[in-house]
Amino acid sequence: QQQVKQSPQSLIVQKGGISIINCAYENTAFDYFPWYQQFPGKGPALLIAIRPDVSEKKEGRFTISFNKSAKQFSLHIMDSQPGDSATYFCAALAGYSTLTFGKGTMLLVSP
Amino acid sequence: SQTIHQWPATLVQPVGSPLSLECTVEGTSNPNLYWYRQAAGRGLQLLFYSVGIGQISSEVPQNLSASRPQDRQFILSSKKLLLSDSGFYLCAWSPGLAGGIEQFFGPGTRLTVL
Repeated sequence: QQQVKQSPQSLIVQKGGISIINCAYENTAFDYFPWYQQFPGKGPALLIAIRPDVSEKKEGRFTISFNKSAKQFSLHIMDSQPGDSATYFCAALAGYSTLTFGKGTMLLVSP
Repeated sequence: SQTIHQWPATLVQPVGSPLSLECTVEGTSNPNLYWYRQAAGRGLQLLFYSVGIGQISSEVPQNLSASRPQDRQFILSSKKLLLSDSGFYLCAWSPGLAGGIEQFFGPGTRLTVL
């Protein structure tokens, strides 16, 4: 119940394309869903987050889509750039407990 | 603004030696503090978290321990390192009940046990 399942494990996208990473959860108590971006040798950085009362949140080229009934959420990176090449983690939080992370997606944007 | 520091940045230790990794947070009070481990190419494993001085919760039984001697200081220790302790250790903080739930990570410590 505490798992967050993330897919795909790795992703190659052409420059200018759309990168899509999906996550699914079971615990209906989750009420906060952040995405983290991690470059090699660095700590993860909070990228964007959403609450379940909205279906979409957009910040620049990054969009979270949230489907409460399906218990799924996804990260879309529009106009993907080589600088977006990184590992992306989805996560979920219930109240003030600890974050549950997905296993990560390694994104490579080819020039 | 808040900043989080970890040191050392890299560490190479022999099996059986002790370990002490330090994490400090600046610019905030009463943060929640976390230690994670990330094996090569793997996800984030929560090791310990703390909601206050002297309050430590362990998520995974293991060879490691944590302490919080001051409000904004979190220390990860081991008496005898194992090969399996190698990994990337990340400290993180969140504002806690008073200030929000966003969690922010430090730069990490790369530990290699030989």
